[in-house]
Amino acid sequence: DAGVIQSPRHEVTEMGQEVTLRCKPISGHDYLFWYRQTMMRGLELLIYFNNNVPIDDSGMPEDRFSAKMPNASFSTLKIQPSEPRDSAVYFCASSSFGSDRGTQYFGPGTRLLVL
Amino acid sequence: GNSVTQMEGPVTLSEEAFLTINCTYTATGYPSLFWYVQYPGEGLQLLLKATKADDKGSNKGFEATYRKETTSFHLEKGSVQVSDSAVYFCALSRDNQGGKLIFGQGTELSVKP
Repeated sequence: DAGVIQSPRHEVTEMGQEVTLRCKPISGHDYLFWYRQTMMRGLELLIYFNNNVPIDDSGMPEDRFSAKMPNASFSTLKIQPSEPRDSAVYFCASSSFGSDRGTQYFGPGTRLLVL
Repeated sequence: GNSVTQMEGPVTLSEEAFLTINCTYTATGYPSLFWYVQYPGEGLQLLLKATKADDKGSNKGFEATYRKETTSFHLEKGSVQVSDSAVYFCALSRDNQGGKLIFGQGTELSVKP
């Protein structure tokens, strides 16, 4: 299995621009999670989906952030407009709770720098 | 609510030293417990897990025992290597939270030759 795939791996953009991060979960997994990691705040859960439906988006920092999962094999996290404080590493993870008791498998992350 | 508390880092050890990273949790019922490791520049990867009291998870020389009576899941390794330098995260999962993991703040380990 290829594991969780994220793109791009690195993104540098200017303040005010739209940023779209992409994630392909492991085939057959029914949960998908988006995290943000910074030195100041550590690892934060932003939102998670079950069977493509958002279950908990309480970690989404503000309306500038949105996430979608149009099908079982693809999800996006969009920031519009981006701000320098959004600079972080964004991770996607997936799991199959029924068969693996909640073990999450993480992608390599997208390193975002907003100038 | 559910929470995980880890010992603060960074932890600096010499090669072949004994490692303990403390982890305690607060949760009702019987959560599953995990240790994840994050190597520099990479995502988190599962190191070991335990799903019920007194279970011992082990992998790559690391082990941790699920202690219900002390609500702990301490990570240990008898002899660390330079390649073990990473950040270690303790986490719990409750069955009724659909696989959502509650993470500790992470403990950075640095092993010197």
